Amino acid sequence: NAGVMQNPRHLVRRRGQEARLRCSPMKGHSHVYWYRQLPEEGLKFMVYLQKENIIDESGMPKERFSAEFPKEGPSILRIQQVVRGDSAAYFCASSTADNEQFFGPGTRLTVL
Amino acid sequence: TQLLEQSPQFLSIQEGENLTVYCNSSSVFSSLQWYRQEPGEGPVLLVTVVTGGEVKKLKRLTFQFGDARKDSSLHITAAQPGDTGLYLCAGARNFGNEKLTFGTGTRLTIIP
Repeated sequence: NAGVMQNPRHLVRRRGQEARLRCSPMKGHSHVYWYRQLPEEGLKFMVYLQKENIIDESGMPKERFSAEFPKEGPSILRIQQVVRGDSAAYFCASSTADNEQFFGPGTRLTVL
Repeated sequence: TQLLEQSPQFLSIQEGENLTVYCNSSSVFSSLQWYRQEPGEGPVLLVTVVTGGEVKKLKRLTFQFGDARKDSSLHITAAQPGDTGLYLCAGARNFGNEKLTFGTGTRLTIIP
């Protein structure tokens, strides 16, 4: 009964490169949320997706960030042309409809 | 923006003592979750409270949702070193299927 899976757990990128973060929800969960935790700050909502649909992206930066949750495969959070300020822990959570969110272990992104 | 303020921000007490952590907001939430986060890991769900005035117990942990559903508290009885961690409250506007607004966190240290 695997929980939410995220990979990679750690990701190092140089400024200007692209970062791709993957999230596989718990079995039976069709709702995925992405949150970002900056150093010494709390978790902030980024985006909420259901299969093939973005439901709420009000927390996503307007540029360079995108997310998808295809019909098959994991949800992907993509950051283009990374900058040092993107260094953070990125957490994915999944849920069924009308139920609590369960979090993955996170991906720690370091931008050099 | 809905803000959830937690107090205290840091708490260090001796093993065996009791403690209470508070989570306050000026906004009404349909549900409130408490999570615990270990270093390098994702938040782990402890409890969800939904009804105003609701009290839930989880072994030595007691959670309460305020009557007006704007605040919550976590009380730990006879704290143990294993209780050490970052405690986060998180509120949802609509139960389950909605982005979470996280509190500022309480970092708890139990001294053996």
